[in-house]
Amino acid sequence: SSELTQDPAVSVALGQTVRITCRGDNLRRYFANWYQQKPGQAPVLLIYNQERRPSGIPDRFSGSGSGNSASLTITGTQAEDEADYYCLSRDISEQRMFGGGTKLTVL
Amino acid sequence: QVQLQQWGVGLLKPSETLSLTCDVHGGPLSGYRWSWIRQAPGKGLEWIGEVVNSDIVNYKTAHRSRLSISMDPSKNQFSLTLTSVTAADTAVYYCARVFNNAFDSWGQGTLVSVSS
Repeated sequence: SSELTQDPAVSVALGQTVRITCRGDNLRRYFANWYQQKPGQAPVLLIYNQERRPSGIPDRFSGSGSGNSASLTITGTQAEDEADYYCLSRDISEQRMFGGGTKLTVL
Repeated sequence: QVQLQQWGVGLLKPSETLSLTCDVHGGPLSGYRWSWIRQAPGKGLEWIGEVVNSDIVNYKTAHRSRLSISMDPSKNQFSLTLTSVTAADTAVYYCARVFNNAFDSWGQGTLVSVSS
């Protein structure tokens, strides 16, 4: 399958750590990238090449991956981290695909 | 820091053609791929396709028959054309730069509504 699967919703207590997971066969071959999207805004790149963080992204965001899954971890979650999170990867035919998105609620 | 500014018609009738353009400021077109992504109301992100250079494009299979993406290096811009639109094409459309297989810079988004 060329799809990427994410849990639709996850919640986390303020200041705690949360992991958002993305699964798909293509992740065995290609890295995942992660985006944060807040209502009415364009997505923001948080993690690329599975674990690299663009300049300006807080270090509480980290990425990892193994086998057919990739994860975005937020350590010390802030209220402002409440948003939708999407993974992105590609397949061997250079078709790019996003996961369905995970809505993160900060309690 | 590259900035993308997109523009185009936001209201269409079924069967019409969607046309959007993305101006690239602060960086060259050459050396990068340039993509279009859309998001239907209340839904997730969908990659539509990209232009690699003047001769090479890469389209999502499902849209290949209706889609055209091109670039104009002289104007530092790239464009999207989607023919025979239906209500299912109603979405916010984003242009974006591809870097390391990720979209690292995004346009502001354009809401395109298809309604009779």
